[in-house]
Formats: sequence, C-alpha cells, structure tokens
Amino acid sequence: GQNIDQPTEMTATEGAIVQINCTYQTSGFNGLFWYQQHAGEAPTFLSYNVLDGLEEKGRFSSFLSRSKGYSYLLLKELQMKDSASYLCAVRGSRGNEKLTFGTGTRLTIIP
Amino acid sequence: DSGVTQTPKHLITATGQRVTLRCSPRSGDLSVYWYQQSLDQGLQFLIQYYNGEERAKGNILERFSAQQFPDLHSELNLSSLELGDSALYFCASSGRTVNSPLHFGNGTRLTVT
Repeated sequence: GQNIDQPTEMTATEGAIVQINCTYQTSGFNGLFWYQQHAGEAPTFLSYNVLDGLEEKGRFSSFLSRSKGYSYLLLKELQMKDSASYLCAVRGSRGNEKLTFGTGTRLTIIP
Repeated sequence: DSGVTQTPKHLITATGQRVTLRCSPRSGDLSVYWYQQSLDQGLQFLIQYYNGEERAKGNILERFSAQQFPDLHSELNLSSLELGDSALYFCASSGRTVNSPLHFGNGTRLTVT
C-alpha cells in the first residue's frame, strides 16, 4: 500500500517563500505529483518528479529524494491567489497507474 | 480548462435513490479515474478504466459501479444512496506514458438529503 503525509495547514506572507513537505511510503513508485486545489474546484497539475533532484517551473519548484521518501514543493514570491490546498500524490508501479493522494496542505497567504 | 467534462455539476437527491455521473475524458486519453472527495478530506480513489476495461479498484463501495464505453466516456453509478455519500466526485483522465499527469474535470457535487 501507500502512505503519504503532509502538514495539514500552513500560513505564509505575501511576497515570501514557503516550502511544503511531503513524505511517502510506497510499495511501488513511478513518480510524485503536486497539485493545487482551490476550495470546491478541481485539482490542477503543478509538477512531476520521478528522478532525484529539483524541477523548477516559474515560481514553483519541486524536489524529490527517493531514498528518503521525501518531496517538497517550494513556492516563491507568494501571491494572495496562491491561497489553496496543495496535494502531494504518488503513482504506483506499472499496471497501477492511479495516483494516491495525501490529504493536502491548506496554505493561507496573509498580506 | 482541463478538457475533461463532467455532468451534472450539481445533484441533489434523497436517501435510497440512484444517480449516474457522467465523464468525458480529454481527447486521446484512454484512462479514466474516479475519485471521491468528502468535506475537508483528501481525494479517495474509487476506480480506473483503461480503454474500456477495469484497470484498478480502490475503496469503492458495492453500491457503486462504473463503466467505460467504446467512445471512452465513463459513468459512475451510485445506488441506495446514504447521507454519507454526499461529496464531490471527480473524474480524471491521463495519457499513456508513466509521466502523464491526471487531468481533472470540475466535479459533480452530490448532496444526499
């Protein structure tokens, strides 16, 4: 099976940087995904990591360490619209392509 | 716009009833996934279809069933509804490669009264 842990809530200041951590335990691994979800809306894809290291995409970066079962999402130059839930998800091994999601981290940006 | 279409957007029904949720995947995507999200809870995987065949099953109740049709659209049937079935139901589709993300529809909000 798969187990994914994220902090439940975080608060950060507009213009600052925030790091959202995710740890996982999985019997098979074919990548880790980060999604953003505003309340009542669909999750939207942010990033994908399958190899160790940092992937940068504009203001968002995601890091993966497979040996530690650890990932983080880094958000820079925070804007009020970044207030949302951030979901970490793991894809299982081939033949089990579903994503297993963590419960998400609710990020609140304050002025 | 993810390209995944779900209907209806909202559904209000009574306990004991049966409803059908519909999903059209993105053009070219063969995989369809169904997830349930209850209030303040994470996305719970229900079931996956790939090109018409059931591929994986999660914590889907026996009262729930799904299928994927030859045109690749999918339907999720929920029967003998209970108050606890009230939730957002999301459909997602993905491409064929392992790095293909899931693209989610806007969901169907089901309220059971």
